[in-house]
Amino acid sequence: AQSVAQPEDQVNVAEGNPLTVKCTYSVSGNPYLFWYVQYPNRGLQFLLKYITGDNLVKGSYGFEAEFNKSQTSFHLKKPSALVSDSALYFCAVRDSILTYNQAGTALIFGKGTTLSVSS
Amino acid sequence: KAGVTQTPRYLIKTRGQQVTLSCSPISGHRSVSWYQQTPGQGLQFLFEYFSETQRNKGNFPGRFSGRQFSNSRSEMNVSTLELGDSALYLCASSQLAGRDRASDTQYFGPGTRLTVL
Repeated sequence: AQSVAQPEDQVNVAEGNPLTVKCTYSVSGNPYLFWYVQYPNRGLQFLLKYITGDNLVKGSYGFEAEFNKSQTSFHLKKPSALVSDSALYFCAVRDSILTYNQAGTALIFGKGTTLSVSS
Repeated sequence: KAGVTQTPRYLIKTRGQQVTLSCSPISGHRSVSWYQQTPGQGLQFLFEYFSETQRNKGNFPGRFSGRQFSNSRSEMNVSTLELGDSALYLCASSQLAGRDRASDTQYFGPGTRLTVL
């Protein structure tokens, strides 16, 4: 079965420091991986995705993520955090095999990680 | 291009009532999915529609239903509301339909906050 784990409920970082939000996944086929951010009382905003190709994916607002197949991870990173980056971050996955077979087109989300950036 | 819109944004109902939520996808997007977000269960998939047909359904009781219209707009309905149905209901649209949509990005609306008293 597809699953996503975000091992940290909360990540605290000082403004200007690099940040990492961790995500690991489990699928049967090839993974399609996504990161979303949610601000209070808002929907989810798309940050970036990995489908195939280069393991380092660059996205919106200076975020990037590194796909590591051997470690089944897709950690979100940013070289220099801003206070405005404080939000709830979700990692999500789709399984290529299930989707092709029309059996699993849903995004499977992790529980979310609250990022708090202090000034 | 306008984003995904959902109406109403907030809703208060009492147990036993029914509710209908509406979603208008991004122009040109053919697929619409619905998710329920609660503090305890996180984000859970409800169902997906394209070409006016339900393509997939999550593990929710039959009280949860939906439909899609020819203009890709979608509605979801919850009948006989229970306290546990209080949640943020999110609609997401994506451009592709069919098998290619595996890699397609879903864009989310702001959600409808449903409170059941």
